[in-house]
Amino acid sequence: GQQLNQSPQSMFIQEGEDVSMNCTSSSIFNTWLWYKQEPGEGPVLLIALYKAGELTSNGRLTAQFGITRKDSFLNISASIPSDVGIYFCAGQPYAGNNRKLIWGLGTSLAVNP
Amino acid sequence: KAGVTQTPRYLIKTRGQQVTLSCSPISGHRSVSWYQQTPGQGLQFLFEYFSETQRNKGNFPGRFSGRQFSNSRSEMNVSTLELGDSALYLCASSLLPGNNEQFFGPGTRLTVL
Repeated sequence: GQQLNQSPQSMFIQEGEDVSMNCTSSSIFNTWLWYKQEPGEGPVLLIALYKAGELTSNGRLTAQFGITRKDSFLNISASIPSDVGIYFCAGQPYAGNNRKLIWGLGTSLAVNP
Repeated sequence: KAGVTQTPRYLIKTRGQQVTLSCSPISGHRSVSWYQQTPGQGLQFLFEYFSETQRNKGNFPGRFSGRQFSNSRSEMNVSTLELGDSALYLCASSLLPGNNEQFFGPGTRLTVL
């Protein structure tokens, strides 16, 4: 099925560094969501975005809904070891009655203390 | 309030068998979605239920089925198991269908031998 292009696929960084990841789509989306999944658990919703250009923060996390409606990014500032996990973007296409969320393949983040 | 619960957490079956997985949504949530997660494919949407009716379906064979009960609890069934069905099966609940803020359970890890 349809998937989002999420990059990078994986990151290995030093504690304290900032992190940036993004998702792009070939079609317009009206919702962007960012989730984090830790080993043995289901994904947890971090940030939800509903308007083009919207910039939302959740602690050290900041996400933006791209003005073209075809992309979104997530930034993590001053990373810490507990940021380790897989980050997923998900979006709802603008067109059609199908309300299925479309998912990226995830960005695996490793933080070296 | 309690989160989404899934049972069992782990399951080992052999090819040809069938399996039933259970999901209890967050109290008050009436929509339940099921996903299959594998390392290379990310989250693949199986189906969504609301008010005991299947509202949306992904691209999976008919061996995968589900249902929802009047208390919003949901089950999914996989018949004639294949090796490729080994995956983490995630259940997500939301207040209403199309409500994008889905809350996930911890998943059921199914291994088919």
